[in-house]
Amino acid sequence: DGGITQSPKYLFRKEGQNVTLSCEQNLNHDAMYWYRQDPGQGLRLIYYSQIVNDFQKGDIAEGYSVSREKKESFPLTVTSAQKNPTAFYLCASRQGTGLAEAFFGQGTRLTVV
Amino acid sequence: SQQGEEDPQALSIQEGENATMNCSYKTSINNLQWYRQNSGRGLVHLILIRSNEREKHSGRLRVTLDTSKKSSSLLITASRAADTASYFCATDAGNSGYALNFGKGTSLLVTP
Repeated sequence: DGGITQSPKYLFRKEGQNVTLSCEQNLNHDAMYWYRQDPGQGLRLIYYSQIVNDFQKGDIAEGYSVSREKKESFPLTVTSAQKNPTAFYLCASRQGTGLAEAFFGQGTRLTVV
Repeated sequence: SQQGEEDPQALSIQEGENATMNCSYKTSINNLQWYRQNSGRGLVHLILIRSNEREKHSGRLRVTLDTSKKSSSLLITASRAADTASYFCATDAGNSGYALNFGKGTSLLVTP
């Protein structure tokens, strides 16, 4: 089955720790995205990548980092510099055209303990 | 930046009734898309309407687009309890690698 997979589903982070969220897709999509969703809020763009070895900051990139070494993978690291990381994180992929739908993973819920 | 704004924020109806959600946006678009999100899950694409289209149907869904007013509406006819979810409109961000800008969504509750 083609799709996009995020792991883990739940993640707990201690203060000052870095954590990495995984996102893998087998849809052969060029573009991949990370969004953050807070309760009752829409999705805010963290980072995006249009091709391998290239990525750009979105609206709320501070405290986050990404890599795109393979087409199918786009991991997100939440660093200790992110002061309020508790949120629901969604990864998406899309064919590189403005008329394509986005496919989303099932999300990772990150909680700081 | 969040371009789309859905209205109302929350909507409660009974099964069999129609549900209408509205979306307003700020800048020119190539297309507008509607997504559905069940609680705690990822988003699922429902329908895409191009900027040169005025209306589109898909099953019980009907989407309209008025580019002069920068607004769109999603109508779900003959709603079912399984339609309970949050609904988001999304527009292309233009220069952000075709990333979609999402509004805050409309939370729909359909009671039996």
